[in-house]
Amino acid sequence: GAGVSQSPSNKVTEKGKDVELRCDPISGHTALYWYRQSLGQGLEFLIYFQGNSAPDKSGLPSDRFSAERTGGSVSTLTIQRTQQEDSAVYLCASSQYRTGNTEAFFGQGTRLTVV
Amino acid sequence: GIQVEQSPPDLILQEGANSTLRCNFSDSVNNLQWFHQNPWGQLINLFYIPSGTKQNGRLSATTVATERYSLLYISSSQTTDSGVYFCAVQETSGSRLTFGEGTQLTVNP
Repeated sequence: GAGVSQSPSNKVTEKGKDVELRCDPISGHTALYWYRQSLGQGLEFLIYFQGNSAPDKSGLPSDRFSAERTGGSVSTLTIQRTQQEDSAVYLCASSQYRTGNTEAFFGQGTRLTVV
Repeated sequence: GIQVEQSPPDLILQEGANSTLRCNFSDSVNNLQWFHQNPWGQLINLFYIPSGTKQNGRLSATTVATERYSLLYISSSQTTDSGVYFCAVQETSGSRLTFGEGTQLTVNP
């Protein structure tokens, strides 16, 4: 597609359930980022993938959070045993990785509500 | 890690006014971007500007990399300019984007 696509747009889940959020990056982009934005707050870094390099997982808030990127393209963010404080908008971005242009583009986000 | 500070945190304008938003960063950067987050939460790319000056309609931006700051200028503001403006930097290729806390802009008719 032309832009970064995230699914679902909205997700309501019960506390304790697992959820999976999906991100389809722009074709040809080798870098992929996940961020979280709580209501009225800034963007909190979660994880960064670049090609075949080991991902930067330093932003994941707990071991309930994990992410993978299959085939260097689609990424899935998994939250296990969801808690109410996990409620937020989860944003994905992608960029090229080459000298001179690493402009990142964001998807529309997934709004997660844990009830 | 790199620190990013944006000012002012809040700005209220009358339609037609001009404004300047500032982004200071604590180290050399490979990438600097300005985003506008609209009321629906979508992050819109405004400028990719690790150095130099760019203009796009009523908006322009300048980054002085040696002095570690960037400015976003909005001229003849419109109500549709309302929202949060974020600055984000990347220290080196192959690293995360670090965001500032944003400037909340409200343009009143």
